[in-house]
Amino acid sequence: KQEVTQIPAALSVPEGENLVLNCSFTDSAIYNLQWFRQDPGKGLTSLLLIQSSQREQTSGRLNASLDKSSGRSTLYIAASQPGDSATYLCAVLGDMRFGAGTRLTVKP
Amino acid sequence: GAGVSQTPSNKVTEKGKYVELRCDPISGHTALYWYRQSLGQGPEFLIYFQGTGAADDSGLPNDRFFAVRPEGSVSTLKIQRTERGDSAVYLCASSPDPGYGYTFGSGTRLTVV
Repeated sequence: KQEVTQIPAALSVPEGENLVLNCSFTDSAIYNLQWFRQDPGKGLTSLLLIQSSQREQTSGRLNASLDKSSGRSTLYIAASQPGDSATYLCAVLGDMRFGAGTRLTVKP
Repeated sequence: GAGVSQTPSNKVTEKGKYVELRCDPISGHTALYWYRQSLGQGPEFLIYFQGTGAADDSGLPNDRFFAVRPEGSVSTLKIQRTERGDSAVYLCASSPDPGYGYTFGSGTRLTVV
């Protein structure tokens, strides 16, 4: 059974810092991997989808990488802003499993 | 529709009652997923439909939970004899194909009192 782990569980950084969120999975035979953002009391908003044949995807200040051999994906956020404060979740599609998320706080 | 629609957005019910939660996926999306999310946790998989059939229902916690998708579009999650532990946000997602990107609805917050 696929297990998805996100570290750290919570992260607090000052505005302007670059940061990395980690997602690890136990079964490397994945389909695709998707990163989401969730604001308090809200649904999940898709950020990036990485297909299993890709190594990374970029959207604006966000960059997600995928290393199937090591069972890891990272979400890099450049020049963080207070509006980036939210919980970030990764999901291994196909297995339909989510991590517990990283709660990010960006302080002004 | 333009997005995934879930109704109701909030539901308060008494312990022991029956509830139905509805999900209207994006038009043309063949895959539909139900998840449950408790406070501070990631979404917990419940059931996945491909078309009209439940392709994977391994996440349903017990036989009080049941879901249908009779025409391959709208899905209903049904919970019998609700318990306080069923209180959570129930999320629905759809995708064009299995394993492709999910689009989520805003969820139904279920409170069992």
